[in-house]
Amino acid sequence: DTEVTQTPKHLVMGMTNKKSLKCEQHMGHRAMYWYKQKAKKPPELMFVYSYEKLSINESVPSRFSPECPNSSLLNLHLHALQPEDSALYLCASSGANVLTFGAGSRLTVL
Amino acid sequence: DQQVKQNSPSLSVQEGRISILNCDYTNSMFDYFLWYKKYPAEGPTFLISISSIKDKNEDGRFTVFLNKSAKHLSLHIVPSQPGDSAVYFCAAKGNSGGSNYKLTFGKGTLLTVNP
Repeated sequence: DTEVTQTPKHLVMGMTNKKSLKCEQHMGHRAMYWYKQKAKKPPELMFVYSYEKLSINESVPSRFSPECPNSSLLNLHLHALQPEDSALYLCASSGANVLTFGAGSRLTVL
Repeated sequence: DQQVKQNSPSLSVQEGRISILNCDYTNSMFDYFLWYKKYPAEGPTFLISISSIKDKNEDGRFTVFLNKSAKHLSLHIVPSQPGDSAVYFCAAKGNSGGSNYKLTFGKGTLLTVNP
């Protein structure tokens, strides 16, 4: 299995909702990532987990809360988001130098 | 401060010809470079990479060249095919501490291969 699976593919939420994005990999990778990508921009790093511990937080607002329940799963909990948070959220994992990305979750905040 | 730069937002080539995508970087601590291809509404797909100890890496139709002294790398696609039409991102990473995990992306180049 060489894939990173993200659910849901599309999510629409209001500013008062609480929702979660989920990511799963079975490649035995010990590092997992959340990136955010806006239209016509490069992916921007949000969080890195290494061996299930938060390793990097790129000064992301607290309305985004990551969680790594085990080495295969990564969640991103969303609460009180703003319309400007609408974007494609990408999960990735890596064993060494190469990151493998999922297809992304397209988030729209109304 | 943009540490990885792709100065051409777009490139158009004819099918069968060579596509050359360029990338410059400013951080001398970068020691590993990657190219990703991205279709709309999909995640980036890894294409090819190169370590700073090499100056060339080839994989089928894709070759990446690295010029460390100029802090410049390029991706050559020969021959180009219509299915290669996508946005190509150059990315770089360091090898110490947190930079080992942090992949810095360029803004991307939209390649269009015309039949």
